[in-house]
Parts: sequence; C-alpha cells; structure tokens
Amino acid sequence: GAGVSQSPSNKVTEKGKDVELRCDPISGHTALYWYRQSLGQGLEFLIYFQGNSAPDKSGLPSDRFSAERTGGSVSTLTIQRTQQEDSAVYLCASADRVNTGELFFGEGSRLTVL
Amino acid sequence: GENVEQHPSTLSVQEGDSAVIKCTYSDSASNYFPWYKQELGKRPQLIIDIRSNVGEKKDQRIAVTLNKTAKHFSLHITETQPEDSAVYFCAASIEGGYNKLIFGAGTRLAVHP
Repeated sequence: GAGVSQSPSNKVTEKGKDVELRCDPISGHTALYWYRQSLGQGLEFLIYFQGNSAPDKSGLPSDRFSAERTGGSVSTLTIQRTQQEDSAVYLCASADRVNTGELFFGEGSRLTVL
Repeated sequence: GENVEQHPSTLSVQEGDSAVIKCTYSDSASNYFPWYKQELGKRPQLIIDIRSNVGEKKDQRIAVTLNKTAKHFSLHITETQPEDSAVYFCAASIEGGYNKLIFGAGTRLAVHP
C-alpha cells in the first residue's frame, strides 16, 4: 500500500536486550517523526527528520535511544539495553512538508519489555 | 521550544450534546494548528486544521477557533454521536521548513447514547 509501514507490529523482549524498530514512510515525504505512546497516554515526541537537515533529537529520553534515516527514506529506531519503562507503542509518521502539514501515521510497533 | 497544553483530559457527554476541547500554545510564531483523532487501537488521523490567517474553520459537525492574541485554539463538536468517542489531540507548529509538530496530551471523549 501507499501508507506508512512499521515493523514489527509487536515485539516482546527481555530486559537488557537491544531492539530495532523500522519505519517505511510514504514515498516522497521529506519529514519523518517518531513518537512514543504509553498505555492511555499522549504522543511523546522522540525525534524528527526533515530532508537532509540534522535530526532534532531533543525528545529522546536517554542515550539508549537512537534513530537514523537512510537515504532520506527508511528510518530505524534503536533502543539499547531495554528497560521495562520502555514498554509502549512506538509510532512513526511522515509528512510532505512542502505541500501540506498533515502527518500520516503508521500502525505502530508495540514493544513489551519483560 | 513549543509547548502545547490541552484541557480537559477526559470529557463525557450525552449523545446530541456539544463538546469543546481547548488548547494553549507557547510559541507566538506558531501558525499551524491541526487536530487529530485516535480511535481505540487505531492510528491518529487528521480531522481538521487551521492556519493563523483565519479565526475559525468548520467542517460539518466540527469547527476550530483560533485566538492568536491569547494563543489558544479550540475544537468544537456539535450534535455528538457515539462514533465521536475517541482521544483527540491538538498540535502546533510553524508551518514549513524545519519545524516539528508538538502535540498536546490528549482528551479522551466519551459520548454516551
């Protein structure tokens, strides 16, 4: 399809393990966001990529979190040495910042840290 | 940076009543204010947005108002229906360029038949 695709949809891991979450944005969208949504909570901003500019990492909660966006398209969010408080749904969204501000969200990756 | 506050956190109304959700923002340079709706277990989706060159925008039963002087904007839903039950998020940004979208904490709206 033409929407934002995220994988895996569900990930269960043990405390201390590293995880990688992948986001395939809509083709041609220059902006890409990662948000975290804990159960019943709001959309916590993590990181923002816009074109070729340096990413805005101001929302990353600790140095265990990192993200990259290769070739201006696919993005990977990596969480090292996972903790139980990292359990949440990680949402990716992309936008065509030139023509519209609308964010298109993926279905999210539900992370459970045991 | 931008900070968006949203109230109330929960809202319960009877079917047919109106619902109002209010947000305030901190950055006077912000000029784009979208609202997203997230139904249970689904992804957030844009329902309406407003830009700073207008004070009000309507789309059927939903409307948004913007007061730039006071730096607040509101979502109004009239004749509420059970399918309006969801979490609603407001957001603010400076449109275009390298400016991220910041969301409010969300309002859980319950419409009771």
